[in-house]
Amino acid sequence: AQSVTQLGSHVSVSEGALVLLRCNYSSSVPPYLFWYVQYPNQGLQLLLKYTTGATLVKGINGFEAEFKKSETSFHLTKPSAHMSDAAEYFCAVSDQTGANNLFFGTGTRLTVIP
Amino acid sequence: IAGITQAPTSQILAAGRRMTLRCTQDMRHNAMYWYRQDLGLGLRLIHYSNTAGTTGKGEVPDGYSVSRANTDDFPLTLASAVPSQTSVYFCASRADWTNTGELFFGEGSRLTVL
Repeated sequence: AQSVTQLGSHVSVSEGALVLLRCNYSSSVPPYLFWYVQYPNQGLQLLLKYTTGATLVKGINGFEAEFKKSETSFHLTKPSAHMSDAAEYFCAVSDQTGANNLFFGTGTRLTVIP
Repeated sequence: IAGITQAPTSQILAAGRRMTLRCTQDMRHNAMYWYRQDLGLGLRLIHYSNTAGTTGKGEVPDGYSVSRANTDDFPLTLASAVPSQTSVYFCASRADWTNTGELFFGEGSRLTVL
């Protein structure tokens, strides 16, 4: 079975500072990993995903994440935060079984301070 | 703009009443999903459908039913609403059921059961 742990339900950064949102997963098989973003009163939209191949993946809006198998992590980063990055971010994991198992973390709310 | 339409956007409902949340997509996606989002719990899968005519149970299916008569529509029914079903409900779809694909979300239906 898969599961996701997002460390920190709230993260605050200053505008221009590094954004680091942590995600650790548990999976008995090679995972597929995703980051989704949710802006206020909207549905979720995909930021980036890792399925196979290069472990450093780049997404929209300057975000990237690195799959580290040895650390079972898939942390999300952005070098310089913008005010528009304020949102809730969800890490999710699924696998290759085709069983429709996409498990979401509990989310991290990012606040960007001017 | 193509996407997922959910209705109603918000509803207050007396306990014991029947309620159907509607979901329509115009992307001709095969797979559709219903999630509920609760504070501190992230998103949890209620029911899914890999293709028209088939449905399956997710993580929290009790008290809910779905149908998939055609590709575009995937209604979620609460036969007899209870206060614990107060939540924000998201419908989502993706092109097929394989777990590498991007999920597209509607904007959510906020349901309050009194």
